[in-house]
Formats: sequence, C-alpha cells, structure tokens
Amino acid sequence: VVTQEPSFSVSPGGTVTLTCGLSSGSVSSSYYPSWYQQTPGQAPRTLIYSTNSRSSGVPDRFSGSILGNKAALTITGARADDESHYYCALYVLSGIWVFGGGTKLTVL
Amino acid sequence: EVQLVESGGGSVKPGGSLTLSCADSGFTGFTVTNAWMAWVRQAPGKGLEWVGRIASRSDGETTEYAAPVKGRFTISRDDSKNMLFLQMNSLKTEDTAMYYCTTVGNPAFFRQWGQGTQLTVSS
Repeated sequence: VVTQEPSFSVSPGGTVTLTCGLSSGSVSSSYYPSWYQQTPGQAPRTLIYSTNSRSSGVPDRFSGSILGNKAALTITGARADDESHYYCALYVLSGIWVFGGGTKLTVL
Repeated sequence: EVQLVESGGGSVKPGGSLTLSCADSGFTGFTVTNAWMAWVRQAPGKGLEWVGRIASRSDGETTEYAAPVKGRFTISRDDSKNMLFLQMNSLKTEDTAMYYCTTVGNPAFFRQWGQGTQLTVSS
C-alpha cells in the first residue's frame, strides 16, 4: 500500500513537503516516483517524474526528492491555486503502478 | 500538442459490458503508435487508481492489469487508427468511475492525460 498524508495545510508563500511511502519497505528512486496535481472536476496534471524531474511547464516551485524512506514533493512559495489534491504513483513491478491515496492541500 | 480524447462512457447494468476508446487528436500517427499507454480511473470522491497498460507495438503490445480488473478488462490498440481501447466485461458497481487514458512516459510515469469518460454501473 502506498501511503500519503490525507490532508495538509500551508500558508500563502510558505513551503510544504508532502510524502509518499510504502506500508512495508522504503521508497527509492527505483520505484520511479511520480507526482500528479488534480483540482476538482479536472484531469490530473503531471508534476514530477522519476523522483525529481519536472514535467514540461511545471514551475520550479515544485520539486521532488527522496527523504529518508519516502518520496517527497516540496512546494515553495505556495499560492492559492496550489490548493489541490496531490497524488504520488510508484512503479512497483515491470509495467505495474500503484497510486497513493492522495493528499488534499489547503492554502490558507 | 498531444490531445487525448476518451469516449464510450455511459450507464451499464451490473454484469454488462462496455468498450471505452481513446483517440489522439494531436500528432497523428505518432503518440499512440510509439508509446506505451495506460488507463487510470477515479471513483466518485476517491483517489486515482491504475487500471492497466499496454506496451507499444515495438515492445510486443504486452498488457498488465490491476488485480480488481484482471480477467474482466482488456486493453488493446489500433495504431493504424491511432486509437486505444478498454474493453470491460462483467462490470460491477465498484467499476463506476471516471476513466482516463494516458501516455506512459519514459521512465514509468503518466505523461499526458485525457479529460476522461464517465462509466456508471448501476441496476
């Protein structure tokens, strides 16, 4: 099972780090963690792939990393329009992915 | 610019069948033909769930499926028409979701997304 914080809040202009873990074991770059942003009623938007590569057009306020035994998505200079659901996905076997349950980020 | 457009969603009774389609209305003949493709779904008020994927023709068009749909769903592609399909049989109420098709980027991520097509399974 891929685990994410159910919810998180950040102040405008602040920095927040969301994490993506495994219920048993550690996340490493070999899981090719990726991150997706989704606002209500919209299709997901790809933010980060292969741990720390930004997808085309994604501002450098978004960054990915491995922190300890988890993948992490850090948002700096949080803006009101960053308020969304954020999902991580792990490539767990050849051709098989698992998504985390998602984190609802509130900017207030 | 790649634009994926899903179609074929609708309402079906439990036990029924339906086939979803995904067309690339962007670079004709490139995106679907040369890419691994995947389906991801999202039940109402829930998170994203990977459904399955199909490799490119050059990689043998092999398929993999998530456990909840294995044996009931089949992904196929028609590169001559730049199309991706999801055939769904023995549908259950828990299959009710928005279904998104995606291209699979290298390495191992969902690069482009369609806007989704809604499936409702209800008696």
